[in-house]
Amino acid sequence: DAGVTQSPTHLIKTRGQQVTLRCSPKSGHDTVSWYQQALGQGPQFIFQYYEEEERQRGNFPDRFSGHQFPNYSSELNVNALLLGDSALYLCASSPVGSNQPQHFGDGTRLSIL
Amino acid sequence: GNSVTQMEGPVTLSEEAFLTINCTYTATGYPSLFWYVQYPGEGLQLLLKATKADDKGSNKGFEATYRKETTSFHLEKGSVQVSDSAVYFCALTPSPNSGYALNFGKGTSLLVTP
Repeated sequence: DAGVTQSPTHLIKTRGQQVTLRCSPKSGHDTVSWYQQALGQGPQFIFQYYEEEERQRGNFPDRFSGHQFPNYSSELNVNALLLGDSALYLCASSPVGSNQPQHFGDGTRLSIL
Repeated sequence: GNSVTQMEGPVTLSEEAFLTINCTYTATGYPSLFWYVQYPGEGLQLLLKATKADDKGSNKGFEATYRKETTSFHLEKGSVQVSDSAVYFCALTPSPNSGYALNFGKGTSLLVTP
């Protein structure tokens, strides 16, 4: 049973560029959340998708956007990249409306030059 | 708002020592509380959870009790091993539904030496 998978594992971009990160949730999960983890910090919630709609959003600018597909997989898009966007981006999935905790992928390490 | 505060690291212990990592929280309503662990180069793994006051979560020798009166969820282990070396995160969701957005503390790095 595959867990949460994310791609790519590492990515290097320059300031001003745009990036798309991908996530496939754990089998049986239909809710996907994205988190940003800066070096030495705890993860910060970006947003959550359920039924292809953004259900919750954290305190992140509109440069951060997402999408969820009918197969529950999800993308995180970041426009106009800044140096401060360098971080580990984590995807987590869970079944909606349950008391089951979120399962995390290994993340995508994004470096901005 | 909701927030989690955990003790600063790094924490360095000898193998078989007793571990305590303090965690306190601020939240309205009835949050669920979690401890996640992150090994180098990996994502987060759920270590244990508690969804209501006085619940005790436990896993792999680790324990934490949900104390509403002190708004705390301290992580303990009686005898640590070298393989326990990792970063530990305390977190909460603002409702008993564990699928809601997680608020994390800053993490506590643990190094266990032989």
